[in-house]
Amino acid sequence: DAKTTQPPSMDCAEGRAANLPCNHSTISGNEYVYWYRQIHSQGPQYIIHGLKNNETNEMASLIITEDRKSSTLILPHATLRDTAVYYCIVGNNNDMRFGAGTRLTVKP
Amino acid sequence: NAGVTQTPKFQVLKTGQSMTLQCAQDMNHEYMSWYRQDPGMGLRLIHYSVGAGITDQGEVPNGYNVSRSTTEDFPLRLLSAAPSQTSVYFCASSPRLGSSYNEQFFGPGTRLTVL
Repeated sequence: DAKTTQPPSMDCAEGRAANLPCNHSTISGNEYVYWYRQIHSQGPQYIIHGLKNNETNEMASLIITEDRKSSTLILPHATLRDTAVYYCIVGNNNDMRFGAGTRLTVKP
Repeated sequence: NAGVTQTPKFQVLKTGQSMTLQCAQDMNHEYMSWYRQDPGMGLRLIHYSVGAGITDQGEVPNGYNVSRSTTEDFPLRLLSAAPSQTSVYFCASSPRLGSSYNEQFFGPGTRLTVL
């Protein structure tokens, strides 16, 4: 079973920030938080990952709470091309359990 | 670089038939893995490999075999296809950075139907 809980769907207006939450209350000390997305039926695409500290790259920001039991993926200026299923995964590359994810729909 | 390639893109099998799904990567990645994705669901790990000659089971390994004779290739074998194996299969690879593995690169997938 996936170790994370995500809302099944979210909407976001084009140009606005999209904030995708994820609960992972059973995360252990050496497990990372990864975010991937899957556009239509393509292979998943890596977005970002982190352990304890907040992380930012050219695609998104990852905010991890101090107790590491939850995190938020932020797409700062969502575009229509960001419409996808977003997966929050806790673990390591030897054991990555994808849940059902959050279907983000960016609307004009 | 071609990245991660998978063949075939589509396949229809009859129950009981066997086949091999091919996966190759040209990025010299140590880690490779196979996932299956059923309709409306997330990906589930079937088997993975941390290097040539080393393989291990994931979450749903039954009915599948793998081998890793080279760094580049990681084929997935269905021994006796069953309708429950109808799914989309994704292969992925990842570089090893220090003691951990990071970003996984996924292939385009193989859509398998078992009648």
